[in-house]
Amino acid sequence: NAGVTQTPKFRILKIGQSMTLQCTQDMNHNYMYWYRQDPGMGLKLIYYSVGAGITDKGEVPNGYNVSRSTTEDFPLRLELAAPSQTSVYFCASSPRLWGSEKLFFGSGTQLSVL
Amino acid sequence: GESVGLHLPTLSVQEGDNSIINCAYSNSASDYFIWYKQESGKGPQFIIDIRSNMDKRQGQRVTVLLNKTVKHLSLQIAATQPGDSAVYFCAENPSQGGKLIFGQGTELSVKP
Repeated sequence: NAGVTQTPKFRILKIGQSMTLQCTQDMNHNYMYWYRQDPGMGLKLIYYSVGAGITDKGEVPNGYNVSRSTTEDFPLRLELAAPSQTSVYFCASSPRLWGSEKLFFGSGTQLSVL
Repeated sequence: GESVGLHLPTLSVQEGDNSIINCAYSNSASDYFIWYKQESGKGPQFIIDIRSNMDKRQGQRVTVLLNKTVKHLSLQIAATQPGDSAVYFCAENPSQGGKLIFGQGTELSVKP
């Protein structure tokens, strides 16, 4: 059972470039989340989804977009990369809403914008 | 605003000793709390959780204590091992169906 899989693991972007961070889970979880983690800080929620076709903003959504066409996949899109988006990005999933259930995390994508 | 904070950003313990990692939360209505462990280069991994109707919960070598009176959460690790070296995060759910709020994290270093 693979759990939550993120790709790529590392990426360097130039300012203004675009990219998509991929996330897929094989646990048939309805709920999926994207977090970013800056050095020495806790996780901040970017976007989340409660099911296929339904997404909503978290704390720090500016500069990002998401889609959820299937239960398994929840890609995160950066349209115009900025240095402020240098961070480690984590995708997570849960069978029920996070407030009542633990989250399963992927191994992260380390992104640098130069 | 709401916050989840950790008293100590770093903690160094001797192998075999017990470790205690503390966490303060600000919302008295929070009803669910989780501890995560994050090893270097990896995603957070669930350790243990506790609901507000409990004050103690035990797992394998770990115990979480919840003191609602002073809004304090702690994680106790018995017989700490080198493999326990990691950053430990607490998280709280401030309301039913609300969004988990993560703390800053405490780095635990285990000396052999």
